[in-house]
Amino acid sequence: ETGVTQTPRHLVMGMTNKKSLKCEQHLGHNAMYWYKQSAKKPLELMFVYNFKEQTENNSVPSRFSPECPNSSHLFLHLHTLQPEDSALYLCASSQRPSTDTQYFGPGTRLTVL
Amino acid sequence: ILNVEQSPQSLHVQEGDSTNFTCSFPSSNFYALHWYRWETAKSPEALFVMTLNGDEKKKGRISATLNTKEGYSYLYIKGSQPEDSATYLCAFKRTNAGGTSYGKLTFGQGTILTVHP
Repeated sequence: ETGVTQTPRHLVMGMTNKKSLKCEQHLGHNAMYWYKQSAKKPLELMFVYNFKEQTENNSVPSRFSPECPNSSHLFLHLHTLQPEDSALYLCASSQRPSTDTQYFGPGTRLTVL
Repeated sequence: ILNVEQSPQSLHVQEGDSTNFTCSFPSSNFYALHWYRWETAKSPEALFVMTLNGDEKKKGRISATLNTKEGYSYLYIKGSQPEDSATYLCAFKRTNAGGTSYGKLTFGQGTILTVHP
């Protein structure tokens, strides 16, 4: 166990649905991240939060809306997704967004029908 | 666009074999190089964070070296065991204009290692 949990582990949704992914870290870290892994592609950073403030948005479409209410929790709100958004979504945390090791959750496998 | 390349894409070895794989990254604006081990259906597990040219790190039977001037890192596994079967990822972190880092990791596609009993 890395100390980073994600729920749900699997999610199937239609293109008109609204759903949210949740990430929680129990490590006392200050930075949290969302990553996406599409089939046969490398892990790709989506968002970075440091002390609840968004510090990086890697040109992510607005149908993905992150929320970081405190340093321990990170959400990814999903609405009007496309089938090509089907992927594994991973959350990570670190003490700081610099050299520190990032600790990953197990991911949410998302399928958009 | 940052290119982080890993080779080979996949590797099959017999139990007891030693093996190594390569991560290539841009040699400019280097800040850190991370190695992760990712077993199927589990979380990626951090192996090493390397920051200095010439760094060598070791964790049990796994070790890594770093050459920032030429932009590559090697990961070595000595005496491979079936439980070493996983995808090994490297990730590059670059400096920003101020010489620090925003924390953005750029990952390679990984090397899939299968160790046969």
